[in-house]
Amino acid sequence: DAGITQSPRYKITETGRQVTLMCHQTWSHSYMFWYRQDLGHGLRLIYYSAAADITDKGEVPDGYVVSRSKTENFPLTLESATRSQTSVYFCASSVSTDTQYFGPGTRLTVL
Amino acid sequence: DQQVKQNSPSLSVQEGRISILNCDYTNSMFDYFLWYKKYPAEGPTFLISISSIKDKNEDGRFTVFLNKSAKHLSLHIVPSQPGDSAVYFCAARDNYGQNFVFGPGTRLSVLP
Repeated sequence: DAGITQSPRYKITETGRQVTLMCHQTWSHSYMFWYRQDLGHGLRLIYYSAAADITDKGEVPDGYVVSRSKTENFPLTLESATRSQTSVYFCASSVSTDTQYFGPGTRLTVL
Repeated sequence: DQQVKQNSPSLSVQEGRISILNCDYTNSMFDYFLWYKKYPAEGPTFLISISSIKDKNEDGRFTVFLNKSAKHLSLHIVPSQPGDSAVYFCAARDNYGQNFVFGPGTRLSVLP
Protein backbone atom coordinates (compact mmCIF):
# COMPACT_ATOMS: atom_id res chain seq x y z
CA ASP A 1 0.00 0.00 0.00
CA ALA A 2 1.12 3.53 -0.70
CA GLY A 3 1.92 5.76 2.20
CA ILE A 4 4.36 6.12 5.03
CA THR A 5 5.04 3.30 7.45
CA GLN A 6 7.07 2.96 10.61
CA SER A 7 8.47 -0.12 12.30
CA PRO A 8 8.34 -1.35 14.90
CA ARG A 9 5.18 0.22 16.29
CA TYR A 10 6.21 -0.60 19.84
CA LYS A 11 9.66 -1.20 21.26
CA ILE A 12 10.99 -1.81 24.75
CA THR A 13 14.72 -1.69 25.25
CA GLU A 14 17.27 -1.19 27.99
CA THR A 15 19.56 1.69 28.77
CA GLY A 16 22.73 1.59 26.70
CA ARG A 17 21.34 -0.55 23.88
CA GLN A 18 21.36 0.53 20.27
CA VAL A 19 17.93 0.88 18.70
CA THR A 20 16.95 1.63 15.12
CA LEU A 21 13.53 2.90 14.15
CA MET A 22 12.58 2.45 10.52
CA CYS A 23 10.62 4.75 8.27
CA HIS A 24 9.55 3.98 4.72
CA GLN A 25 7.52 6.07 2.28
CA THR A 26 6.20 5.11 -1.14
CA TRP A 27 5.50 8.58 -2.51
CA SER A 28 9.10 9.41 -3.48
CA HIS A 29 8.85 12.58 -1.41
CA SER A 30 12.09 14.51 -1.26
CA TYR A 31 11.81 15.58 2.35
CA MET A 32 11.68 13.32 5.37
CA PHE A 33 11.58 14.18 9.05
CA TRP A 34 11.85 12.59 12.46
CA TYR A 35 9.98 14.02 15.45
CA ARG A 36 9.51 12.97 19.02
CA GLN A 37 6.33 13.70 20.94
CA ASP A 38 6.46 14.28 24.67
CA LEU A 39 3.74 15.53 26.95
CA GLY A 40 3.77 19.32 27.16
CA HIS A 41 6.18 19.70 24.26
CA GLY A 42 4.19 18.80 21.21
CA LEU A 43 6.34 17.43 18.42
CA ARG A 44 10.01 18.34 18.38
CA LEU A 45 12.13 17.93 15.29
CA ILE A 46 15.09 15.58 15.69
CA TYR A 47 16.52 15.40 12.17
CA TYR A 48 15.36 16.06 8.66
CA SER A 49 16.51 15.24 5.17
CA ALA A 50 15.97 17.25 2.00
CA ALA A 51 17.04 14.41 -0.30
CA ALA A 52 19.02 11.18 -0.31
CA ASP A 53 22.41 11.65 1.35
CA ILE A 54 21.42 15.08 2.69
CA THR A 55 20.53 15.32 6.36
CA ASP A 56 20.46 18.12 8.92
CA LYS A 57 19.86 18.56 12.62
CA GLY A 58 16.62 19.74 14.09
CA GLU A 59 15.83 21.04 17.56
CA VAL A 60 16.80 17.95 19.60
CA PRO A 61 19.42 15.88 17.70
CA ASP A 62 21.67 14.80 20.58
CA GLY A 63 21.86 11.03 21.02
CA TYR A 64 20.40 10.28 17.59
CA VAL A 65 21.90 9.37 14.24
CA VAL A 66 20.17 9.28 10.85
CA SER A 67 21.06 8.18 7.37
CA ARG A 68 19.33 8.35 4.02
CA SER A 69 20.94 6.24 1.35
CA LYS A 70 17.64 5.79 -0.51
CA THR A 71 14.88 8.32 -1.07
CA GLU A 72 12.22 6.07 0.45
CA ASN A 73 13.95 5.15 3.71
CA PHE A 74 14.99 7.28 6.65
CA PRO A 75 16.10 5.20 9.66
CA LEU A 76 16.68 6.79 13.06
CA THR A 77 19.24 5.19 15.36
CA LEU A 78 19.67 5.69 19.07
CA GLU A 79 23.29 4.64 19.51
CA SER A 80 23.09 4.21 23.28
CA ALA A 81 19.52 4.55 24.50
CA THR A 82 18.78 6.57 27.63
CA ARG A 83 15.60 6.80 29.68
CA SER A 84 15.07 10.38 28.53
CA GLN A 85 14.61 8.99 25.02
CA THR A 86 11.43 7.22 26.05
CA SER A 87 8.90 8.86 23.75
CA VAL A 88 6.65 8.44 20.76
CA TYR A 89 8.56 8.91 17.52
CA PHE A 90 6.94 10.09 14.32
CA CYS A 91 8.38 10.04 10.87
CA ALA A 92 7.00 12.38 8.20
CA SER A 93 7.57 13.12 4.54
CA SER A 94 6.71 15.95 2.21
CA VAL A 95 7.07 16.96 -1.42
CA SER A 96 8.36 20.37 -0.48
CA THR A 97 8.70 22.39 2.68
CA ASP A 98 5.04 22.70 3.49
CA THR A 99 2.52 19.96 4.22
CA GLN A 100 4.00 16.93 5.93
CA TYR A 101 2.47 13.48 5.98
CA PHE A 102 3.06 11.54 9.15
CA GLY A 103 3.50 7.86 9.85
CA PRO A 104 1.59 6.11 12.64
CA GLY A 105 4.39 6.48 15.18
CA THR A 106 6.66 4.20 17.20
CA ARG A 107 6.25 4.09 20.96
CA LEU A 108 9.69 3.52 22.49
CA THR A 109 10.26 2.69 26.12
CA VAL A 110 13.79 2.67 27.53
CA LEU A 111 14.09 0.86 30.85
CA ASP B 1 11.28 28.84 25.65
CA GLN B 2 8.49 27.64 23.39
CA GLN B 3 8.24 29.53 20.12
CA VAL B 4 4.75 28.20 19.41
CA LYS B 5 2.27 28.20 22.27
CA GLN B 6 -1.16 26.73 22.66
CA ASN B 7 -2.22 27.95 26.06
CA SER B 8 -5.37 25.87 26.34
CA PRO B 9 -4.48 22.22 26.95
CA SER B 10 -8.10 21.23 26.49
CA LEU B 11 -11.42 22.54 25.21
CA SER B 12 -14.95 21.15 25.37
CA VAL B 13 -17.67 22.24 22.96
CA GLN B 14 -21.23 21.13 22.28
CA GLU B 15 -21.96 19.48 18.96
CA GLY B 16 -23.10 22.03 16.40
CA ARG B 17 -21.38 24.94 18.10
CA ILE B 18 -18.21 26.71 17.07
CA SER B 19 -14.81 25.48 18.30
CA ILE B 20 -12.05 28.07 18.47
CA LEU B 21 -8.50 26.88 19.02
CA ASN B 22 -5.81 29.45 19.60
CA CYS B 23 -2.09 29.57 18.91
CA ASP B 24 0.52 32.23 19.65
CA TYR B 25 4.05 32.44 18.32
CA THR B 26 7.08 34.50 19.18
CA ASN B 27 9.34 34.23 16.14
CA SER B 28 8.64 36.92 13.55
CA MET B 29 10.58 34.86 10.98
CA PHE B 30 7.77 32.30 10.74
CA ASP B 31 6.15 32.58 7.32
CA TYR B 32 3.83 29.58 7.06
CA PHE B 33 1.45 28.08 9.58
CA LEU B 34 -0.35 24.76 9.70
CA TRP B 35 -2.88 22.95 11.82
CA TYR B 36 -2.75 19.22 12.32
CA LYS B 37 -5.26 16.90 13.92
CA LYS B 38 -4.22 13.81 15.83
CA TYR B 39 -6.28 10.85 16.97
CA PRO B 40 -4.92 8.45 19.63
CA ALA B 41 -2.43 5.88 18.34
CA GLU B 42 -2.23 7.59 14.95
CA GLY B 43 0.10 10.10 13.36
CA PRO B 44 -0.95 13.74 12.95
CA THR B 45 -2.90 14.53 9.80
CA PHE B 46 -2.79 17.83 7.98
CA LEU B 47 -5.89 19.97 8.35
CA ILE B 48 -5.34 23.46 6.97
CA SER B 49 -2.57 25.97 6.43
CA ILE B 50 -2.03 29.67 5.90
CA SER B 51 0.76 31.74 4.46
CA SER B 52 1.93 34.86 6.23
CA ILE B 53 0.79 36.95 3.26
CA LYS B 54 -2.83 36.06 4.02
CA ASP B 55 -5.02 36.67 7.03
CA LYS B 56 -7.65 34.01 6.42
CA ASN B 57 -7.95 30.62 4.79
CA GLU B 58 -11.08 28.54 4.63
CA ASP B 59 -11.69 24.88 3.83
CA GLY B 60 -15.18 23.61 4.45
CA ARG B 61 -15.94 23.72 8.15
CA PHE B 62 -12.40 24.83 8.99
CA THR B 63 -11.12 28.39 8.88
CA VAL B 64 -7.75 29.64 10.02
CA PHE B 65 -7.20 33.29 10.88
CA LEU B 66 -3.79 34.92 11.14
CA ASN B 67 -3.06 38.17 12.95
CA LYS B 68 0.59 38.90 12.23
CA SER B 69 0.80 42.02 14.36
CA ALA B 70 -0.38 40.05 17.38
CA LYS B 71 1.55 36.92 16.35
CA HIS B 72 -1.65 34.97 16.83
CA LEU B 73 -3.58 32.47 14.80
CA SER B 74 -6.79 30.66 15.46
CA LEU B 75 -8.64 27.69 14.02
CA HIS B 76 -12.42 27.86 13.82
CA ILE B 77 -14.49 24.73 13.35
CA VAL B 78 -18.13 25.33 12.47
CA PRO B 79 -20.23 23.37 13.13
CA SER B 80 -18.31 21.12 15.49
CA GLN B 81 -18.95 17.39 15.20
CA PRO B 82 -18.13 14.53 17.60
CA GLY B 83 -15.63 13.20 15.04
CA ASP B 84 -13.64 16.41 15.49
CA SER B 85 -12.65 15.27 18.97
CA ALA B 86 -8.86 15.00 18.78
CA VAL B 87 -5.67 16.79 19.71
CA TYR B 88 -4.95 19.78 17.49
CA PHE B 89 -1.40 20.97 16.90
CA CYS B 90 -0.45 24.35 15.60
CA ALA B 91 2.83 24.42 13.65
CA ALA B 92 4.98 27.13 12.14
CA ARG B 93 7.72 27.13 9.54
CA ASP B 94 10.59 29.59 9.53
CA ASN B 95 11.42 31.43 6.35
CA TYR B 96 14.48 29.29 5.71
CA GLY B 97 11.79 26.80 4.80
CA GLN B 98 12.94 23.67 6.53
CA ASN B 99 12.46 24.07 10.24
CA PHE B 100 9.03 23.30 11.64
CA VAL B 101 8.05 24.14 15.21
CA PHE B 102 4.98 22.59 16.79
CA GLY B 103 2.91 23.78 19.71
CA PRO B 104 2.08 21.44 22.61
CA GLY B 105 -1.43 20.75 21.33
CA THR B 106 -5.01 21.34 22.46
CA ARG B 107 -7.33 18.44 23.16
CA LEU B 108 -10.77 19.18 21.73
CA SER B 109 -13.79 17.27 22.98
CA VAL B 110 -17.03 17.74 21.06
CA LEU B 111 -19.92 16.61 23.21
CA PRO B 112 -23.03 15.14 21.56
